[in-house]
Amino acid sequence: QSALTQPASVSGSPGQSITISCTGTSSDVGNFNLVSWYQQHPGKAPKLMIFEVNKRPSGLSNRFSGSKSGNTASLTISGLQAEDEADYYCCSYAGRSTFTWVFGGGTKLTVL
Amino acid sequence: EVQLVESGGGLEQPGRSLRLSCAASGFTFDDYAMHWVRQAPGKGLEWVSSISWDTTNIRYADSVKGRFTISRDNAQNSLYLQMNSLRVEDTALYYCAKDGDLLRMNYFGYWGQGTLVTVSS
Repeated sequence: QSALTQPASVSGSPGQSITISCTGTSSDVGNFNLVSWYQQHPGKAPKLMIFEVNKRPSGLSNRFSGSKSGNTASLTISGLQAEDEADYYCCSYAGRSTFTWVFGGGTKLTVL
Repeated sequence: EVQLVESGGGLEQPGRSLRLSCAASGFTFDDYAMHWVRQAPGKGLEWVSSISWDTTNIRYADSVKGRFTISRDNAQNSLYLQMNSLRVEDTALYYCAKDGDLLRMNYFGYWGQGTLVTVSS
């Protein structure tokens, strides 16, 4: 069981927008503005998409945006493109003795 | 260009040991914390261990605490993970990751391609 809860799958058509939720607790997502999001294509290494809740790495498309409300973080992808089809993982700093960073179980994005 | 190249994976029996290495280039290695994250076949990501730039801050997931040891050699631009008392559930692709924040432990800014560890009798 993952520490953060994500939907197993989401889908959207090209050009549409989708949002992936990531629900944690007041000990992780709700307590730190240190949520990050990673994209992983099949057989590839994960790639950072969002850090510190809503910041984009240099050069990343502004179609990707992040937000947080309470214990739930969200990743929004606007103007869906075929190459956005991938697995997406959220991650939060937790600072606990059991684990310092916790991941969500991952969400499979399908572009219809 | 940042490059992280993991090595040392392979097939090992339960109870035995393996040492993973990660060779880094393209950035000032001793300015950044480094991490190990693993992914079991067909499963999600799991944080394993982290080490600060100066080795003063080291963290482990409970699932590996007491069995795995993270270390780094800043002179050699290398990160290591000594894995002892291996268990079947340690089977995974192990990724080396560079922190994205200068001198802090914050997030996984860049990932290597991973090295596969298989624990089986």
